[in-house]
Amino acid sequence: RKEVEQDPGPFNVPEGATVAFNCTYSNSASQSFFWYRQDCRKEPKLLMSVYSSGNEDGRFTAQLNRASQYISLLIRDSKLSDSATYLCVVNGWNNAGNMLTFGGGTRLMVKP
Amino acid sequence: GAVVSQHPSWVICKSGTSVKIECRSLDFQATTMFWYRQFPKQSLMLMATSNEGSKATYEQGVEKDKFLINHASLTLSTLTVTSAHPEDSSFYICSAWRQGAISAYEQYFGPGTRLTVT
Repeated sequence: RKEVEQDPGPFNVPEGATVAFNCTYSNSASQSFFWYRQDCRKEPKLLMSVYSSGNEDGRFTAQLNRASQYISLLIRDSKLSDSATYLCVVNGWNNAGNMLTFGGGTRLMVKP
Repeated sequence: GAVVSQHPSWVICKSGTSVKIECRSLDFQATTMFWYRQFPKQSLMLMATSNEGSKATYEQGVEKDKFLINHASLTLSTLTVTSAHPEDSSFYICSAWRQGAISAYEQYFGPGTRLTVT
């Protein structure tokens, strides 16, 4: 089982739609959770951290369910510019200390 | 915001040669930097963790003698791909830890280096 699993998509949605992505993680000890956005041939960029109480940033809402080891991202009123791959990221540990584990990403395509 | 740069952004080299990629944190000090590799349509895979002043820690399956990492200062880490082969062609991305606004460490990524080995 992968440490961080996401539906690869693609999700094809019209402008203005609401879309939700889900992610599950296997390490119950993980404490930090993030959603990153990656455009084609570019580096990932932090979209938002995910906190236990849930958090919202404009059109984006992130939720965390520790009991189910599940993270979600909701995008309201989709824009064409939201088209990208969304990466679910969870902290973990290796011999060097803290590290991040990336999900495979969910591709979103917003159509006019 | 935190800025991480990489150089070069794109490089083509012949099989058997070595390529050095630089990663710099421009407006903060980074005691820890990370090197990732991303193949087309795949997610980022951590190659190694680079700590300033000490040896890098490599992930399982990554050859430390092939991918040499040096983190000589708090703002610079380098990755050298030695004796490159076509299968080393990939997108190499570095990142650096920076403490976020709510005491959660967040990684900031460089723009990546696209390596093509012919």
